[in-house]
Parts: sequence; structure tokens; C-alpha cells
Amino acid sequence: GDSVTQMEGPVTLSEEAFLTINCTYTATGYPSLFWYVQYPGEGLQLLLKATKADDKGSNKGFEATYRKETTSFHLEKGSVQVSDSAVYFCALSAPLMDSSYKLIFGSGTRLLVRP
Amino acid sequence: DGGITQSPKYLFRKEGQNVTLSCEQNLNHDAMYWYRQDPGQGLRLIYYSQIVNDFQKGDIAEGYSVSREKKESFPLTVTSAQKNPTAFYLCASSIWGGDATGELFFGEGSRLTVL
Repeated sequence: GDSVTQMEGPVTLSEEAFLTINCTYTATGYPSLFWYVQYPGEGLQLLLKATKADDKGSNKGFEATYRKETTSFHLEKGSVQVSDSAVYFCALSAPLMDSSYKLIFGSGTRLLVRP
Repeated sequence: DGGITQSPKYLFRKEGQNVTLSCEQNLNHDAMYWYRQDPGQGLRLIYYSQIVNDFQKGDIAEGYSVSREKKESFPLTVTSAQKNPTAFYLCASSIWGGDATGELFFGEGSRLTVL
């Protein structure tokens, strides 16, 4: 079945360092891909998305490119801030039998940015 | 502002008791979902609903029940049959139909602890 694999955390970086969080997926079709962010004690917020191959999603300095050839959707940011400390989830949309969708999530990667 | 409201934010339950978690949305979305989050495991789908008076089991429906009497509301009952109910529960909604990409909008979550 469809699945998402992302790098285990925690990832600890100093402020202004470069961030990469790896995400690869397995899917039978051509899913949309997402990155969600979760701050402590809160729900998930959509960070960025890409709906087809070679699309680049971007938001708040974060970027990810939908790579069909490598089945990847790695999250990058050029210069992280302390406020970026959170858990990041990679996800893909999997169609259900009745034309709706469900999201399949990776296990999450905790990012800790030190001043 | 449009959004999803979950209540209560924190809930404590004794073993053997049923509890109901509330989820209300004013986004006019057709589809609603319940996910369960456990540490280090990402999110898993419990139930989903596309239209009023219809809902489907997700990947881990055993020990849970739902209803969808109104478009705006999708309450989740955690029954005494659920073996390990302590978790963080997230409600979400999405559009359904031709423009849908699978993007979900999440509430702030409800943390259930069984004493």
C-alpha cells in the first residue's frame, strides 16, 4: 500500500543553519504531496504542497520539490530560526474507494533550533 | 474566521467509560476525518465522512464510533472497547469533488488520558 518514510529526528541545528528533512514515498498513482508542521500542543498546519511532478511548493522560506523519478519530497530551508522548532510531517493523498481522499503521514521529524 | 473547533482540549477518563470528543467546522467542507496521534507514530485514520448520515471506517476504527447528523459536526466516541485510548485526537476537514487535492484542515486537537 501507499506509504511515507521520513528521516528520524530529532534534528538539532543552530540558528541560521541550512535545513533538510528527507521524505520519500511509495504510491500506486500520482498523489499530491504535503508538508505539515505541528507546534507543541497544537494541531497540524499546512506548510506547503505540490500536486504534480516537478512542482515546487514554498512557504515561509521553506521549499520542497515533487520528484517523481526519485519518489521524494525533501523539505529545505536556507536559514532556520528558533521559531521553526516544531515537528514536521510529510504526507501524501491517497484516493479512497468512494472518490474521497485520506492523507497518509510519515512518522514526523522533530526540529530543534538553538539560538 | 473559518476553522475547526475541537473540544475539550484535555480530557481524563476512567477505564470502562465512554467519552465523546466534539468537532465542529464552519468551512462548509463536505468531508470530515478523525485521526489518532501517538508519539513517534505519525497520524492514523480512525473514521471519515463525506456527507451527512454517511461515514466509513479508517485504518483503526475498532473501539470507536462516530455520527454525522449535520454537515458541520462530526463527534467521535471513544468506547470502553478501545484497548489503548490514551492519545492525541485530531479532527480535520476537506473539500470533496473535482477540485480536491487531499489537503486537510486540522483542529487544535483533544488529548485524552485514561487513568
